[in-house]
Amino acid sequence: DIQLTQSPSFLSASVGDRVTITCRASQDIGNYLAWYQQKPGKAPKLLIYVPSSLQTGVPSRFSVGGSGAEFTLIISSLQPEDFATYYCQQLKNYPLVFGGGTKVEIK
Amino acid sequence: EVQLVESGGGLAQPGRSLRLSCAASGFIFDDYGMHWVRQAPGKGLEWVASISWNGGARGYADPVRGRFTVSRDNAKNSLILEMNSLRLEDTALYYCAKGGGSSSYYPFDFWGLGTPVTVSS
Repeated sequence: DIQLTQSPSFLSASVGDRVTITCRASQDIGNYLAWYQQKPGKAPKLLIYVPSSLQTGVPSRFSVGGSGAEFTLIISSLQPEDFATYYCQQLKNYPLVFGGGTKVEIK
Repeated sequence: EVQLVESGGGLAQPGRSLRLSCAASGFIFDDYGMHWVRQAPGKGLEWVASISWNGGARGYADPVRGRFTVSRDNAKNSLILEMNSLRLEDTALYYCAKGGGSSSYYPFDFWGLGTPVTVSS
């Protein structure tokens, strides 16, 4: 089975900071990776699927990079509404695992 | 507007069963794969099960395989998760999610609010 490892698991940052979250897969998954944002008490929200563009309504300060087994989610200038937990998910084959999550908190 | 409304959660004793439902609206249900994802209190997301548009392909996470069954009723725009032999570690908020395509290998583009399941003696 494919495993996903996110780093860091916790990140403290200030408004305006550039933030990078990494997701590493235990094997090559091509571009079959999605990123989700979850705020406390809310359902997750799809941000981006690597082969596609940002989901409708997702600000352009979010971007993704990488392919194969290492991926990044970049927030170019962190905004107050971006403080949340971020998850990656592989969609190459079963099981469709999620990474452990990265919680972004206010410094 | 896409809406996914889960129901059927509640308190169950270990070894007992629960049946979760997800009522879908706002999209052509039988065009899309559907999924169940759970989240234990204070923990991350855990994929549980997926089903393709016509039910012809299904997948399960190892911890639930053989105990949980995912199915769908396209005539009723409904997704089902039958949960048998419940364990304490099945305690979680269970989300229904819509896939972005007909197979299971598309990202989960809409989510319900979840239904809580508590397994306790």
